Amino acid sequence: GAGVSQSPSNKVTEKGKDVELRCDPISGHTALYWYRQSLGQGLEFLIYFQGNSAPDKSGLPSDRFSAERTGGSVSTLTIQRTQQEDSAVYLCASNLGPGQGNTGELFFGEGSRLTVL
Amino acid sequence: GNSVTQMEGPVTLSEEAFLTINCTYTATGYPSLFWYVQYPGEGLQLLLKATKADDKGSNKGFEATYRKETTSFHLEKGSVQVSDSAVYFCAPGSSNTGKLIFGQGTTLQVKP
Repeated sequence: GAGVSQSPSNKVTEKGKDVELRCDPISGHTALYWYRQSLGQGLEFLIYFQGNSAPDKSGLPSDRFSAERTGGSVSTLTIQRTQQEDSAVYLCASNLGPGQGNTGELFFGEGSRLTVL
Repeated sequence: GNSVTQMEGPVTLSEEAFLTINCTYTATGYPSLFWYVQYPGEGLQLLLKATKADDKGSNKGFEATYRKETTSFHLEKGSVQVSDSAVYFCAPGSSNTGKLIFGQGTTLQVKP
C-alpha cells in the first residue's frame, strides 16, 4: 500500500480481555517495528522484525505481549489479559531494512489507540 | 544498545524566538541520527537526519549537526513559528540493524 496501515484505529476493551492489533507495512519493506506511546511519554520500543531473522523482542514489557509477522508482511501484536497500564497508542513503522539503500528513515502508521477500562 | 537523552519540556517560546532542543546519545559504532516530529493530531514524521560525523541535517528552517566528539545532535531553529508547536523526538539508529531508539520527546509550544 501507499503507507503503513494499522487497525483498529481505536480499541476499547475491558481489563483481562485479549486484544490484537494489526499492521500492514509499506510493500517491499522488510523491517517492521512496534512502538508504544503512553500519554505524556516517549516512544517505547517493543519489537523489531527484519526479513526472516529472529525478531528482536527485547522491548516487550511482559510475557502478556507477543507479536508475529506472517509471510514477511503483515504483523499482529497481541496483548493477553490486558491491564489498565497497557492503555497507550501502539505505533507500527517499517523501512527497507539494513543495506538495500536504506536511509534509516522509519515510516509510521497512524497508530492504534488502546484503552483498557 | 543505543540510548538517548533529550531536554525535558515543555518548552514555551514566543514567535520568532531562537530554539534549541538538546539531545545526547550513547551508541556503539557510528549510528545515523534523526529528529522526528509529531504535530498535534498527526503521526510521527521525519524532520531531518545526519548519517555521519559533522554532517548537518536541515529541513523547514531546523538544523542539527552530528557531533561525534560530544555525542550530541542538538536541534536548532533561528526563528520559530506558531506552526512549529509539536513534540520533537531525537533518535539514534543502530548502524547494524537500523533499529531506532527514541528519546522521551520534547514538547514545544510557540505563542503568538
